[in-house]
Amino acid sequence: EADIYQTPRYLVIGTGKKITLECSQTMGHDKMYWYQQDPGMELHLIHYSYGVNSTEKGDLSSESTVSRIRTEHFPLTLESARPSHTSQYLCASRGTVNEKLFFGSGTQLSVL
Amino acid sequence: DAKTTQPTSMDCAEGRAANLPCNHSTISGNEYVYWYRQIHSQGPQYIIHGLKNNETNEMASLIITEDRKSSTLILPHATLRDTAVYYCIASPTNFGNEKLTFGTGTRLTIIP
Repeated sequence: EADIYQTPRYLVIGTGKKITLECSQTMGHDKMYWYQQDPGMELHLIHYSYGVNSTEKGDLSSESTVSRIRTEHFPLTLESARPSHTSQYLCASRGTVNEKLFFGSGTQLSVL
Repeated sequence: DAKTTQPTSMDCAEGRAANLPCNHSTISGNEYVYWYRQIHSQGPQYIIHGLKNNETNEMASLIITEDRKSSTLILPHATLRDTAVYYCIASPTNFGNEKLTFGTGTRLTIIP
């Protein structure tokens, strides 16, 4: 049902590299979100967006940045990856009429 | 968002009804109760939501007490595929506070 896509599904990268996690949705949703989740732990909201050119920081402080140039696209960037960034990153979206959150499959990031 | 409290884990025999409780004693009048589940490391999946009336869909039933301080998610005939972490969230439908908190949820294990 959900048309929200995250790439890559898995990423192993060395310390200091710049990475971008992609998230796209084809549902025309205005609101998009990034969550971070460690194994067996809570989901923490790190970024969200109300629409194009809107970005806000969530509850959990993150060194990542996001952009929202197009409605369907909400990429997350880490300028210099560190082992402490190892985690799963989940993208979600929601329309203004339908209150359900739709999640992507997530990106499992490992920084060596 | 109102804080919710759920048991950390539960077991249920395959084929039986799984009843997952949630306490939300500080819920306000405009907050709905939402249930999501997360299977293994996938993105959470919406199950059901309600305000004060009981709700049923193809996945589950939601029973909300008259005082709205607690609710129960019912999976009528649990299967092994229902093994997951279940999250109960209280939030306005317009998500006026965008910092949607999932908490730690209930880890439901379906026993063959």
